[in-house]
Amino acid sequence: EAQVTQNPRYLITVTGKKLTVTCSQNMNHEYMSWYRQDPGLGLRQIYYSMNVEVTDKGDVPEGYKVSRKEKRNFPLILESPSPNQTSLYFCASSSGVPDTQYFGPGTRLTVL
Amino acid sequence: KNEVEQSPQNLTAQEGEFITINCSYSVGISALHWLQQHPGGGIVSLFMLSSGKKKHGRLIATINIQEKHSSLHITASHPRDSAVYICAVRFRSGSARQLTFGSGTQLTVLP
Repeated sequence: EAQVTQNPRYLITVTGKKLTVTCSQNMNHEYMSWYRQDPGLGLRQIYYSMNVEVTDKGDVPEGYKVSRKEKRNFPLILESPSPNQTSLYFCASSSGVPDTQYFGPGTRLTVL
Repeated sequence: KNEVEQSPQNLTAQEGEFITINCSYSVGISALHWLQQHPGGGIVSLFMLSSGKKKHGRLIATINIQEKHSSLHITASHPRDSAVYICAVRFRSGSARQLTFGSGTQLTVLP
């Protein structure tokens, strides 16, 4: 089954404790991206990647890092999480740009 | 400034009604997406448009490039259509690889 998976789905952590949210797709897609969704602000793009070793900043990259060492994986790294990074995070992939986006199930992160 | 506006923000309809959700954008685009977010939070892509009209089942999406406007129509609405509908665009200016999202339309269809 074609899908985008994210782990964990739910995470409660404390300020400053490094964490990684994994994202994996099994569709051989070149384009992958991370979004965060906040009440009143909607969805905003954090980072995206056009292919292996090619990443670029979206609208809200501060406080996040990404890497794309393999085509299928695009982890989101929070080196020192802060409470303002409490949000619902989505990973998505597509075979190109522009093309239909396939979204992961979301990761609800709470930073205390 | 590259902006996307959706209307209405909230919409309540009776089962069977014809529904229209609107999306306007400020400058030229290369593509427009309509997304559906279920009450559980998952997001599904409904359509991607760069011109004209697309239809899938009871859903129809249209785009008018000259007027910088798109509509999503739902015919014979059903309670299972209750969800948030989100418009997203790729602007030609700036980074065409980025998506900019509207604020979403919360649709509730009553039985």
